[in-house]
Amino acid sequence: TQLLEQSPQFLSIQEGENLTVYCNSSSVFSSLQWYRQEPGEGPVLLVTVVTGGEVKKLKRLTFQFGDARKDSSLHITAAQPGDTGLYLCAGWQYGNKLVFGAGTILRVKS
Amino acid sequence: NAGVTQTPKFQVLKTGQSMTLQCAQDMNHEYMSWYRQDPGMGLRLIHYSVGAGITDQGEVPNGYNVSRSTTEDFPLRLLSAAPSQTSVYFCASSFLNSNQPQHFGDGTRLSIL
Repeated sequence: TQLLEQSPQFLSIQEGENLTVYCNSSSVFSSLQWYRQEPGEGPVLLVTVVTGGEVKKLKRLTFQFGDARKDSSLHITAAQPGDTGLYLCAGWQYGNKLVFGAGTILRVKS
Repeated sequence: NAGVTQTPKFQVLKTGQSMTLQCAQDMNHEYMSWYRQDPGMGLRLIHYSVGAGITDQGEVPNGYNVSRSTTEDFPLRLLSAAPSQTSVYFCASSFLNSNQPQHFGDGTRLSIL
């Protein structure tokens, strides 16, 4: 059982559709990060959320950190084929451990 | 600026063999870590280090050893390889602050026969 549960595991949508990816836990995190990974490469950071209730926007991507600092979501507006990839949430546990969720594979079809 | 360098990129081992995966960073990062990535399981933390001479266990440490004799290097040793250790291994580094991005290497693809 993973500390961070991501859903859905796989998402296949048409270009222009909206989508939301969820990252949930029963544990409190000091901060949460979202990464995107492409085949054959390491993950690359998209955003870090630190404050409970925080909302951050990165162009068409909106990230939210839950009030209780146990969950987060990633919303993509008008998805494009270039958004295709593996999206991973990661939480910093107290004690310097960064743990990851299982990831959401996103495929955007043109 | 090379970032995080992992070697080798690919390796095939026989069950029972030992080997060391190398990881080096040139960004003067205090924090370094090793993850394994398996299909459907995301990245699982094996070991991490907050500075030279300091290491600690992650979520799945069994069968792996690490050491941190310098700030730059963080090798991962497989003592006696098992088929269950077939995976893609990623090394990452960052400054010691939870808001900092993890910089990942390109991974080592390891197969144990």
